[in-house]
Amino acid sequence: NAGVTQTPKFRILKIGQSMTLQCAQDMNHNYMYWYRQDPGMGLKLIYYSVGAGITDKGEVPNGYNVSRSTTEDFPLRLELAAPSQTSVYFCASSYSRSGGTLSGETQYFGPGTRLLVL
Amino acid sequence: DQQVKQNSPSLSVQEGRISILNCDYTNSMFDYFLWYKKYPAEGPTFLISISSIKDKNEDGRFTVFLNKSAKHLSLHIVPSQPGDSAVYFCAVFIYNFNKFYFGSGTKLNVKP
Repeated sequence: NAGVTQTPKFRILKIGQSMTLQCAQDMNHNYMYWYRQDPGMGLKLIYYSVGAGITDKGEVPNGYNVSRSTTEDFPLRLELAAPSQTSVYFCASSYSRSGGTLSGETQYFGPGTRLLVL
Repeated sequence: DQQVKQNSPSLSVQEGRISILNCDYTNSMFDYFLWYKKYPAEGPTFLISISSIKDKNEDGRFTVFLNKSAKHLSLHIVPSQPGDSAVYFCAVFIYNFNKFYFGSGTKLNVKP
């Protein structure tokens, strides 16, 4: 049971380049999340998904896109990288026992992807 | 517009003593309160949580206290151990929006 995995661990992008951050979980969780953490700040929610085919915006969605074609995978796409997107990105998943309502218990996080945009 | 604030960026404690980490929140509608622990180069890991209908939850050396009137959450670690040295994030959850909000973290250093 690998939990939540993220690739790559580290990436340097030039301004205007695009890339996809990969996230996968093998716990059959229905909820998945993308956060970014800037230095000295808490985690900010970018996008989340309550199940395959369903995604919704978080606090800071501008400049990002997501898709959720399977329960296991939740990739995050940066189309035109900007220096303001330099951050550490964390993917997380959780399980909701009742439809549409989170248990509120916990999220399981991946190890993070460190992204530097120059 | 910070929903959750951790005003102490760092805390240093002697091994064996109590560590108290604090967190303030703004919205009385939050349903769940959580603490996460994060080591360098790793993702946060869940530590302990408390529902808004309770004022205390204990799990081994870790106790979380919730003061709803003051909108204040605290984590007590007794006794503190060097392995507890990490960044601690408090987080809040609201069912209606299915979202978590995180504080900026407090770096705990437990000295041997």
